[in-house]
Amino acid sequence: GENVEQHPSTLSVQEGDSAVIKCTYSDSASNYFPWYKQELGKGPQLIIDIRSNVGEKKDQRIAVTLNKTAKHFSLHITETQPEDSAVYFCAAKDMRFGAGTRLTVKP
Amino acid sequence: DTAVSQTPKYLVTQMGNDKSIKCEQNLGHDTMYWYKQDSKKFLKIMFSYNNKELIINETVPNRFSPKSPDKAHLNLHINSLELGDSAVYFCASSQDGGLNQPQHFGDGTRLSIL
Repeated sequence: GENVEQHPSTLSVQEGDSAVIKCTYSDSASNYFPWYKQELGKGPQLIIDIRSNVGEKKDQRIAVTLNKTAKHFSLHITETQPEDSAVYFCAAKDMRFGAGTRLTVKP
Repeated sequence: DTAVSQTPKYLVTQMGNDKSIKCEQNLGHDTMYWYKQDSKKFLKIMFSYNNKELIINETVPNRFSPKSPDKAHLNLHINSLELGDSAVYFCASSQDGGLNQPQHFGDGTRLSIL
């Protein structure tokens, strides 16, 4: 089955800096790669997703890049704000989640 | 106008008891899911129902039984609760069948076994 590895497990940045979270997957049949944000006491919320027919997708301060050859995809958050602090999860084929990244943005 | 709602939000009970968690979605989606999030925040899918029919059943003990009275509801019944069942359980839904679609999650039910 699919195996998804996510790094780093924790990330602390200064407000205004960029944050990058990376995921690798094992199943070459994976074709859908979502990113979810989970705030304390809440359920995961989809923030961006990408399908395998594109290499990059951007939505305001958030972007996702996909390298199918290397089987990895990354979440990029620019101009980080304190409200970006949360746990972020990637997922690949059949909603196999990575272990999560706790992002802290310091004001 | 909550999209995916779960009740109760918190559930504290003793080992050996039987309990149920309810989930409802008002998005008109065809597929609903149950996930388990353990103490280390790891999220794992348990079940998937498409239009009231079970389509995915991961390696979950048969003490866990999902029930879908209609496509807007997917309840989770757990028999003979064990300490290891302590976790946060999330219900989710998506528009189409298949896992590779955007999913909408509820806010979770925190189950604590004493």
